[in-house]
Amino acid sequence: GENVEQHPSTLSVQEGDSAVIKCTYSDSASNYFPWYKQELGKRPQLIIDIRSNVGEKKDQRIAVTLNKTAKHFSLHITETQPEDSAVYFCAASIQAAGNKLTFGGGTRVLVKP
Amino acid sequence: GAVVSQHPSWVICKSGTSVKIECRSLDFQATTMFWYRQFPKQSLMLMATSNEGSKATYEQGVEKDKFLINHASLTLSTLTVTSAHPEDSSFYICSAFAPSGRFEQYFGPGTRLTVT
Repeated sequence: GENVEQHPSTLSVQEGDSAVIKCTYSDSASNYFPWYKQELGKRPQLIIDIRSNVGEKKDQRIAVTLNKTAKHFSLHITETQPEDSAVYFCAASIQAAGNKLTFGGGTRVLVKP
Repeated sequence: GAVVSQHPSWVICKSGTSVKIECRSLDFQATTMFWYRQFPKQSLMLMATSNEGSKATYEQGVEKDKFLINHASLTLSTLTVTSAHPEDSSFYICSAFAPSGRFEQYFGPGTRLTVT
């Protein structure tokens, strides 16, 4: 089955700096890659996603890049703010195989004011 | 936007008893729902896929006789933890997938289960 690895597990950045989280996946058939932000005790919130036919997607301060050949994708957060502090999860799924999401291990991001 | 609710939001039960958790899609029909378990400071682990009108598909290592899933309608799936033990204490989250040309899953708010 699919295996998703996520790095780093923790990330501390100064407010205003950028944060980058990287994920690799094992199944080349995966074609949907969402990123979620989860605050303590809350549901995961989709912040951005990318499909395999796109190499990059941006939404204001958040961007995701996908390298299908290398089977890795990354989340970039620019101009970080204290409210960006949370746990971020990457995930991968195959549309034709039931859309089951396989999650990475998570990255705990702390933005220091 | 699509809304998924869960009930209860938290529950405490005694060891050996059973607990039922409901997952509802409020404004759309969900042919497929997913159940995840999340232990503290860990990632979400898929437990099973719930398909309306058919048996659930369980992930490897998940006991189907312990975690009973019923997807009786297009808006409701239930997870029953039978003969709960302290090691079943966890955060249970459901998600619903609406095949409307989108890939997105919509997550419920989660249910915190504590077994004493």
